[in-house]
Amino acid sequence: GNSVTQMEGPVTLSEEAFLTINCTYTATGYPSLFWYVQYPGEGLQLLLKATKADDKGSNKGFEATYRKETTSFHLEKGSVQVSDSAVYFCALNTFSGNTPLVFGKGTRLSVIA
Amino acid sequence: DGGITQSPKYLFRKEGQNVTLSCEQNLNHDAMYWYRQDPGQGLRLIYYSQIVNDFQKGDIAEGYSVSREKKESFPLTVTSAQKNPTAFYLCASSTKFTGGAGGELFFGEGSRLTVL
Repeated sequence: GNSVTQMEGPVTLSEEAFLTINCTYTATGYPSLFWYVQYPGEGLQLLLKATKADDKGSNKGFEATYRKETTSFHLEKGSVQVSDSAVYFCALNTFSGNTPLVFGKGTRLSVIA
Repeated sequence: DGGITQSPKYLFRKEGQNVTLSCEQNLNHDAMYWYRQDPGQGLRLIYYSQIVNDFQKGDIAEGYSVSREKKESFPLTVTSAQKNPTAFYLCASSTKFTGGAGGELFFGEGSRLTVL
């Protein structure tokens, strides 16, 4: 079946450090891939997405590239800020079957000044 | 502004009581969903609805009930049969069940239920 595996957190970084959160997936067909962010006490917001292989999604300084050969969609940011502290979820959509988005378990990021 | 509104944001319940969480969307989306979030467990799907007057059980439907009488509304009732109801509940919607052209879901800000 379809699934998403994220690196376990929590991840703690100093301000201006480089961030990588790993995400790999298993899916039939050609899924679209997403990163969502959840700030404390809030719902999920779409951060970025990619709909086909080699696409790069980007937003707010975050980037992720859809790698079909390694079935990965790692999230990166060159210089994190305290305001980036949140939980990040990787997700996929195969546009088929009887389930909506499949989510990873989330990775908590804490950025300290 | 278009979006999803969940209420109440915080809710306290005594054991044995049913409670209903509201979810309203003005995005004209066909599909709506309820997720439960517990610390360290990610999101788990409770119920979903692809269209008005139709809904399906998700992975953890036991102890919950829903209705979809109007396109914009998808309330969730947490019944006394739910053994461990304390959690953060998230409502979401999408243009179509499989996410529509963009594929993504849009989320409300959540409701935190605490059973005393």
